[in-house]
Formats: sequence, C-alpha cells, structure tokens
Amino acid sequence: DAGVIQSPRHEVTEMGQEVTLRCKPISGHNSLFWYRQTMMRGLELLIYFNNNVPIDDSGMPEDRFSAKMPNASFSTLKIQPSEPRDSAVYFCASSPASYNEQFFGPGTRLTVL
Amino acid sequence: DQQVKQNSPSLSVQEGRISILNCDYTNSMFDYFLWYKKYPAEGPTFLISISSIKDKNEDGRFTVFLNKSAKHLSLHIVPSQPGDSAVYFCAASSYASGGSYIPTFGRGTSLIVHP
Repeated sequence: DAGVIQSPRHEVTEMGQEVTLRCKPISGHNSLFWYRQTMMRGLELLIYFNNNVPIDDSGMPEDRFSAKMPNASFSTLKIQPSEPRDSAVYFCASSPASYNEQFFGPGTRLTVL
Repeated sequence: DQQVKQNSPSLSVQEGRISILNCDYTNSMFDYFLWYKKYPAEGPTFLISISSIKDKNEDGRFTVFLNKSAKHLSLHIVPSQPGDSAVYFCAASSYASGGSYIPTFGRGTSLIVHP
C-alpha cells in the first residue's frame, strides 16, 4: 500500500492567494483527519471526517479555512485568503473505523509570504 | 490550556543507554495513550500504545508505562540507538460520539542519541 498521499509537498504563496492542499487516504480507511503543526502550538487537529462526512470542525481556526471530502479517496483543505500566520506543516491522516492508531501522510509545508 | 504536556523539548542520550521520555495529561476521560515517532520531512508514525486498563506495555526495545493516579506516562527505549533520534509525540485519546478515537497531542520531545 502506498500510504497516505499528500500534495503538494511544499507550497510557497503570497498573502491573499488561495491555497488548496490535497490528501488521498489509505484505501479502506473510514476516518480522515487534517492537522496543522507549528512551533508555537504543536500538532493541532483541524477537522475530521467519518465516511466522507465532516464530524467535528471545531479546530478550524477561521472561516478562511474549509475542508471537503467528495469521496472516500480524496480530501482537500482550502485556505482563502491565505495569511503569513497560516505558514505551517499540514498533515493528513487516516485510520480504519474505531481504530486508535492513525496513519499520517508526509505533510505539506506551506509558506505564505 | 494544554491537556497533554511534554515538558522536555529535547533529550540527549548516549548510544546503548536508556532513554526516558515523559508525558503528563490533565483530562481523566482519556482512555488510550499513544506514542508517535517523527523523522524530519516525514509524517508521524505510530510507535506503541497503552490502554488505560493497563500500566505497562512492551514491544521490543520500547516500553510504555502508565500511572493513572498521577496522570503520567513514560516511554522507555532500551538500549537507545542512533536511529532512534527523532521527535517523539505523546498522544491521549478518547472515543468521540462521531465514531472515532480523537487524539490530543503533546508538543513533542526531540531525542538525540549520540554514537
């Protein structure tokens, strides 16, 4: 299995631009999670989906952030408009239903200038 | 307020010696605890876990101890190897009504094992 796939691996953009991060979970995993890692706040859960349905988005910092999961094999995290304080590493993770361990992708390093 | 705390940002150990990484939590509703290991430019990978009904779980060189009364867990690596050099995240989880275990992560401890 290829594991969780994230793209792009690196993204550099200017303030005000729209950014879209992509994730392909492991086939057969029912749950998908988006995290953000920063030096100040560590690894924070932004939103998670079960069976493609958003369950809890209370970690999404602002309305500028949105996430979708149109099918079981694809999810996006969008930031519009982006701001310099959004610079961080964004991880996607997936897991089978009712499973404690999560499988993380390699992350997308976002830099907003 | 942090519910899962790793108070040591870094730890340096000699090869062959024991590494002890500590983690404290505040929420008594957590019922499962995990350790993840992260190398640079990679995502975290699951290392070892323990249920709240146990006080010890061992897997090869890695042992996790849980002290529920103190709300404290620790990861022991014996013997430490240079390849163990990584950032270690402690996570505590509870079952959410949506049908998933939702972890809360500590900020990580960077372990360096010197040859």
